[in-house]
Amino acid sequence: GQNIDQPTEMTATEGAIVQINCTYQTSGFNGLFWYQQHAGEAPTFLSYNVLDGLEEKGRFSSFLSRSKGYSYLLLKELQMKDSASYLCAVRDSSSGGYQKVTFGTGTKLQVIP
Amino acid sequence: NAGVTQTPKFRVLKTGQSMTLLCAQDMNHEYMYWYRQDPGMGLRLIHYSVGEGTTAKGEVPDGYNVSRLKKQNFLLGLESAAPSQTSVYFCASRDNEQFFGPGTRLTVL
Repeated sequence: GQNIDQPTEMTATEGAIVQINCTYQTSGFNGLFWYQQHAGEAPTFLSYNVLDGLEEKGRFSSFLSRSKGYSYLLLKELQMKDSASYLCAVRDSSSGGYQKVTFGTGTKLQVIP
Repeated sequence: NAGVTQTPKFRVLKTGQSMTLLCAQDMNHEYMYWYRQDPGMGLRLIHYSVGEGTTAKGEVPDGYNVSRLKKQNFLLGLESAAPSQTSVYFCASRDNEQFFGPGTRLTVL
């Protein structure tokens, strides 16, 4: 099985930088995803890490350490529209060859002026 | 290219009624998923499919059945709805990252 932990809520100021952490435990790690979900909408893909290190995509970056079971999502130059929930998800290949994706409960980020 | 679509968008059922939620994708993806999302619980996997004709149980399969008769469609059925099944249901398909449908808001009275 999998266990994914991330903070429930965070608050940050417009223009600042915020880091959202995610820790996980899995027996067949096959990739980690970050999704953004605005209230009342579907999740949308932000980033994917399968190897250790930092992946940068514009204002968003995601880091992975497989040995530590740890990832973070870094948001720079925060904008009000970044207020949303950020979901960490882990793909696992240990279930009879099927690849399942399990989501954390999400971190609700509030950006304030 | 419509991506992932879900019907219906909203539905209200009485306890004991049955219904089917339809998910369709036009991206030729093998993998498809059904999730439910409840406050404070995050997205929980109900059932998933790794290809046409296959299905598998996720975290919370009880009370639901699924079918994948065609590659592009993944159906979620509730045979006898219960108030505990009030939730927002998301379908997704993937090649690498998952693409989500817009969701179905189901209320069971």
